[in-house]
Amino acid sequence: EIVLTQSPGTLSLSPGERATLSCRASQSVSSTYLTWYQQKPGQAPRLLIYGASSRAAGIPDRFSGSGSGTDFTLTISRLEPEDFAVYYCQQYGGSQFTFGPGTKVDIK
Amino acid sequence: EVQLVQSGAEVKKPGESLKISCKGSGYSFTSYWIAWVRQMPGKGLEWMGMIYPGDSATRYSPSFQGQVTVSADKSITTASLQWSSLKASDTAMYYCARLRGVVSPSYYDGMDVWGQGTTVTVSS
Repeated sequence: EIVLTQSPGTLSLSPGERATLSCRASQSVSSTYLTWYQQKPGQAPRLLIYGASSRAAGIPDRFSGSGSGTDFTLTISRLEPEDFAVYYCQQYGGSQFTFGPGTKVDIK
Repeated sequence: EVQLVQSGAEVKKPGESLKISCKGSGYSFTSYWIAWVRQMPGKGLEWMGMIYPGDSATRYSPSFQGQVTVSADKSITTASLQWSSLKASDTAMYYCARLRGVVSPSYYDGMDVWGQGTTVTVSS
């Protein structure tokens, strides 16, 4: 099973700042199947990025994804108040999905 | 509008059985997989398994294989997740989500539509 590790666990930033979230895999992951989700308290997860770098429908362009192999990054160029949430990466391989433990982005 | 609507909250006792549901609408139900995702209180997301209603093919996480059963009835565009004997540790929020492209990678575009979640509480 591929294990995903996300860092940092918590990122404390102010609105307008840049957020850089890391997702590292225990072995190489297909970029096609590297996905990022956002979850706010009391809500279902929301798809942000699929295929490592493709924004889902309706996702603002301040969200971007990059990476390959075992190292992937989600960047939020300028944090808006509605971006403070938990972010999960996910991968699919060997007929299994796994999620990372999440990075919480909170207000400094 | 594409939607997944899940059944309501459940309160059960240990050892009881349970089946929760996820009804799809606004899209071709047989052309997408339905995945189930567990979120225990205050914790992260865990993929449990999924079903392709088109042919009832299933995949399970090793962590959940044998513990739950996923099924689908395409005639009523509804997927289900069931337990035969609940434990207190099954207390969680359960989400369904649709996806495609697990067989054909060019079609993969993430779990793009999610249900609102079903809270399951198991307590004596």
